[in-house]
Amino acid sequence: GAVVSQHPSRVICKSGTSVKIECRSLDFQATTMFWYRQFPKQSLMLMATSNEGSKATYEQGVEKDKFLINHASLTLSTLTVTSAHPEDSSFYICSANPLTRDRGTDTQYFGPGTRLTVL
Amino acid sequence: AQKITQTQPGMFVQEKEAVTLDCTYDTSDPSYGLFWYKQPSSGEMIFLIYQGSYDQQNATEGRYSLNFQKARKSANLVISASQLGDSAMYFCAMREGGYMEYGNKLVFGAGTILRVKS
Repeated sequence: GAVVSQHPSRVICKSGTSVKIECRSLDFQATTMFWYRQFPKQSLMLMATSNEGSKATYEQGVEKDKFLINHASLTLSTLTVTSAHPEDSSFYICSANPLTRDRGTDTQYFGPGTRLTVL
Repeated sequence: AQKITQTQPGMFVQEKEAVTLDCTYDTSDPSYGLFWYKQPSSGEMIFLIYQGSYDQQNATEGRYSLNFQKARKSANLVISASQLGDSAMYFCAMREGGYMEYGNKLVFGAGTILRVKS
């Protein structure tokens, strides 16, 4: 099956620092990757759609300058949380669509998530 | 307006019994896809099953089946022979439009926490 990795799995940083999270599709290529944020016991909230070779599309209410997204290749997208503050503490999950359809399911495959804690 | 509604915040089921998790959706697009994901306490999102709006038959994947009632706009997940390892959060999600038509964005429901009792 399709595998998506995320690195790091857990990060603790001081307020004001920037944190970069990587999302990689390991055994397939993806022109589109997605970044979600999830608070405890809540649903996933789509932050942005990452498009290879072009600018990311951000959802309403998500600060572009705060959450920088770079989709450098068909297998890598990065999310940088700039000048992180305690309210940015959350679980960040990425997902990716394979370029070719997997059994016609059009499935998004998710990474294992990154737990960010800002002190 | 809520596009995906999961009305059961929490459910209990006895081990080896079947359980149905409810999901209703709202869309005016004739082409859409419905997904169920499982999220255990580790946080990973595990794809379970998919139903396309034009699929004639209900989807099945092992112990998982999707009870798709298009006219009622419902896509309930049925888990047969529940196991302790099925305890997790379950999310229903919808993709509006055809494959990659709108960038394949998914909209998620609020989720249902399932607890399997031994």
